[in-house]
Amino acid sequence: DIQMTQSPSSVSASVGDRVTITCRASQGINTWLAWYQQKPGKAPKLLISTASSLQSGVPSRFSGSGSGTDFTLTISSLQPEDFATYYCQESTTFPPTFGQGTTVEIK
Amino acid sequence: QVQLQESGPGLVKPSQTLSLTCAVAGDSISSYSYYWSWIRQPAGKGLEWIGRIYTTGRTNYNPSFKSRVTISADTSKNQFSLKLISVTAADTAVYFCARDRGDDDSSGPFDYWGQGTLVTVSS
Repeated sequence: DIQMTQSPSSVSASVGDRVTITCRASQGINTWLAWYQQKPGKAPKLLISTASSLQSGVPSRFSGSGSGTDFTLTISSLQPEDFATYYCQESTTFPPTFGQGTTVEIK
Repeated sequence: QVQLQESGPGLVKPSQTLSLTCAVAGDSISSYSYYWSWIRQPAGKGLEWIGRIYTTGRTNYNPSFKSRVTISADTSKNQFSLKLISVTAADTAVYFCARDRGDDDSSGPFDYWGQGTLVTVSS
């Protein structure tokens, strides 16, 4: 299985801050990477696919970049509704695997 | 709008079989456009893909579940199901169904999810 490692595990930030989350794959995955947002008690929500394609309806303050093994999710100006846990997920092999999650907390 | 809804027992005894169903609205599981996956999340932990099914009946499973898992579909009811046998406490988790935008060789991303259902394995 491909191992997906996110960093940091948690980050404390304030409204308006720029937040960057990193995801590293244990082997190259081209751009077959998705990012999800999950709030407590809710299902994950797909934010970005193929590393940088923003899903319809997702605010433009979210952006993704990277290819190969190193990827980033950036929130350009953190909003109150963005406090959540974020997961990356690769989709190159079976089984698809997720990162362990990064929790964005209120500072 | 695509909607998925999981249903099934919330409590299963150890060694017994976990059975869940996912009803799909707003899309047809008989279409050739998507796969349909099951994913689980133990409390406070990350996400684990269990397996998926395609309209042809083709399935893919996570090897970590070995031969314990079966995913099937009922196209007449537009729903698909998960069976996990010989459960233990380690199978206690929230189980999600999701629409899978993958292809024959890969799974994901998952663009629509059910709200999840908690299954507790306990005597």
